[in-house]
Amino acid sequence: QSVLTQPPSASGTPGQRITISCSGSSSNIGSRSVIWLQQLPGTAPRVLIYNNNQRPSGVPDRFSGSKSGTSGALAISGLQSEDEADYYCAAWDDSLKGGVFGPGTKVTVL
Amino acid sequence: EVQLLESGGGLVQPGGSRRLSCAASGFTFGSYGMAWVRQAPGKGLQWVSGISDTGGGTYYADSVKGRFTISRDNSKSTLYLQMNSLRAEDTAIYFCVKGLGRYDYIKSDHWGQGTLVTVSS
Repeated sequence: QSVLTQPPSASGTPGQRITISCSGSSSNIGSRSVIWLQQLPGTAPRVLIYNNNQRPSGVPDRFSGSKSGTSGALAISGLQSEDEADYYCAAWDDSLKGGVFGPGTKVTVL
Repeated sequence: EVQLLESGGGLVQPGGSRRLSCAASGFTFGSYGMAWVRQAPGKGLQWVSGISDTGGGTYYADSVKGRFTISRDNSKSTLYLQMNSLRAEDTAIYFCVKGLGRYDYIKSDHWGQGTLVTVSS
């Protein structure tokens, strides 16, 4: 069972905006920053968002992150077919003294 | 360009040992925390271990504590994971992860392509 909670799936039509939530606690998201990763089928994970809302170079600005209290969220605007992937949130946990992940959210473009 | 190249994966018997390596390039290796994250077949991501920039601080998931050892050689820009007493449930792709700062072990900006470890008789 994952320490962070994410919905198992999300979907939308091309051009739509979808949001994926990530719920944690005071020992992880509540006191640490959230990262979001995208994993396309058969490939390694890629960092989309770090420090709650910062994008590495090369990540389109269609992807945005936010954090409020013990929850984070990833928004994908202008949804495209190539956005079909698994999305994971992660954070450091001060109680466990280790990294924790959400179970992943599978995004489908209808 | 940051590159992380894992190696050392393969088939190992239960109870056996394996050492993974991650050769880093494109950045000042000794200035960043590093980590290993794994993914069992068809499953999600699991954080395994992290190490600070100098190697003075190391952290482990409970599932590998006492069996795995993370280390680094900054002169060779290489990260290691020594895995002992391997179990079937350790079967996974192991990813090398570059932290954003000296003490970052999950907050990251680059991941390697991974190396597959299969524990089976």
